[in-house]
Amino acid sequence: GNSVTQMEGPVTLSEEAFLTINCTYTATGYPSLFWYVQYPGEGLQLLLKATKADDKGSNKGFEATYRKETTSFHLEKGSVQVSDSAVYFCALSDRGGTSYGKLTFGQGTILTVHP
Amino acid sequence: DTGVSQDPRHKITKRGQNVTFRCDPISEHNRLYWYRQTLGQGPEFLTYFQNEAQLEKSRLLSDRFSAERPKGSFSTLEIQRTEQGDSAMYLCASSLEQVGYGYTFGSGTRLTVV
Repeated sequence: GNSVTQMEGPVTLSEEAFLTINCTYTATGYPSLFWYVQYPGEGLQLLLKATKADDKGSNKGFEATYRKETTSFHLEKGSVQVSDSAVYFCALSDRGGTSYGKLTFGQGTILTVHP
Repeated sequence: DTGVSQDPRHKITKRGQNVTFRCDPISEHNRLYWYRQTLGQGPEFLTYFQNEAQLEKSRLLSDRFSAERPKGSFSTLEIQRTEQGDSAMYLCASSLEQVGYGYTFGSGTRLTVV
C-alpha cells in the first residue's frame, strides 16, 4: 500500500533560518505529491503540489521537487518567518483505481520559528 | 464560494450516545472526503463520495460509522454508540475529479467522548 514518511519533529528555528522538512514516500503507482499546512486553530491548507517527476511546486517562498529516483518530496524555504510556525503534512494521491484521488498523509512535522 | 463548511465545530457527548456531523463542500466539487485526525498524527482516510455514490470505505470505519451524501451536495457522518476512542477531529474535504487536484478542507469537527 501507499505510505508517507516525514522527518521526526518538532523543528525549532530562528527567524531567517533555512528550512528543510524531509518527506519520502512509497506508492504502487505514479502518485501526485502535496504539502499541506495547518496553522494553529485552523484547517489544513494546500501549500504546494507536484504531479510528475522533476516538477517543482512552489508557494509563499516554499519549494519542493518531485524526485522519482529517490521517492522524495522535501520541503524547503530559504528564510523562515515567525508566521510560518505551523504543522506541515506531506501527502500523496493515487492516480488510478478506486483509490484515485485519495490522499495518504505523513504524520506531520511541527515547525516553531522564534524571533 | 465560502469554502468547505463543517458543523458543529465542537461536540462533547457521553459514551454510548449517537452523534451526527455535517459537511457542506464547495458547490462545484463532485468529490467529498471524510478523514479523522488524532493528536500528533496525520489525517486518516475514512470514506469518500463521488457525487452521491460512496466509492470507498476504510477498514477504520466500523459498523458504528455511516456516511451519506444523499443528493451529491452536503454529507453527513454519523457515529452510533460512541466510544472514548472515537474522540478526534473529523475533517471533511472536497475536490474536483482531476489528476493532481488538491483538496479544500473544512475546519473540522472536534469530537470529545466523555
